Amino acid sequence: DIQMTQSPSSVSASVGDRVTITCRASQGIRSWLAWYQQKPGKAPKLLIYAASSLQSGVPSRFSGSGSGTDFTLTISSLQPEDFATYYCQQANGFPYTFGQGTKLVIK
Amino acid sequence: EVQLVESGGGLVQPGGSLKLSCAASGFTFSDSAMHWVRQASGKGLEWVGRIRSKANSYATAYAASVKGRFTISREDSKNTAYLQMNSLKTEDTAVYYCTRPGRPDCSGGSCYSNWFDPWGQGTLVTVSS
Repeated sequence: DIQMTQSPSSVSASVGDRVTITCRASQGIRSWLAWYQQKPGKAPKLLIYAASSLQSGVPSRFSGSGSGTDFTLTISSLQPEDFATYYCQQANGFPYTFGQGTKLVIK
Repeated sequence: EVQLVESGGGLVQPGGSLKLSCAASGFTFSDSAMHWVRQASGKGLEWVGRIRSKANSYATAYAASVKGRFTISREDSKNTAYLQMNSLKTEDTAVYYCTRPGRPDCSGGSCYSNWFDPWGQGTLVTVSS
């Protein structure tokens, strides 16, 4: 199975900050990576697919980059509603696997 | 609007069975694959399995942790997918989400859509004596 490792596991930031979360795959997955946002008690929400494509309706402050094994999710200017947990997911093949999550908390 | 609504969760004893349902609306269900993903309390996300459409022979695939115990099926006439869970273990305790493939990306010559959008609200399965 492809292992997905996110870093950091938790990050503290303030409104207006720029935040970057990284995700590393244990083997190459081309650009087949997605990012999700999950708030407590809610289902995950797709933010980015195919490593860098912005899901419809998602604010442009969210962006994704990378290919192969190394990927990043960047939030350019944090808003209060962005404090949540973020997961990456490899979409290259079975079984689809997720990173362990990065919890974004208010400083 | 695409909607997915899970039901059927509850408390079951180890070794028992439970069948979850996922009612879909707002898209052509019969043309879509459907996936199940679970999340134990305070933990991350684990893909459980998927079923493809009739055009793709209703092909199924499962995570190793549930293979042989869980079965995904669908009833296109009812726009509903199911997750039959047998021989349940305490480690199967989780919120179970149904979801479908997201918008495909065809930039590489072939199309991929192995990401998930949207998700249902989830249904809690608790395996405990």
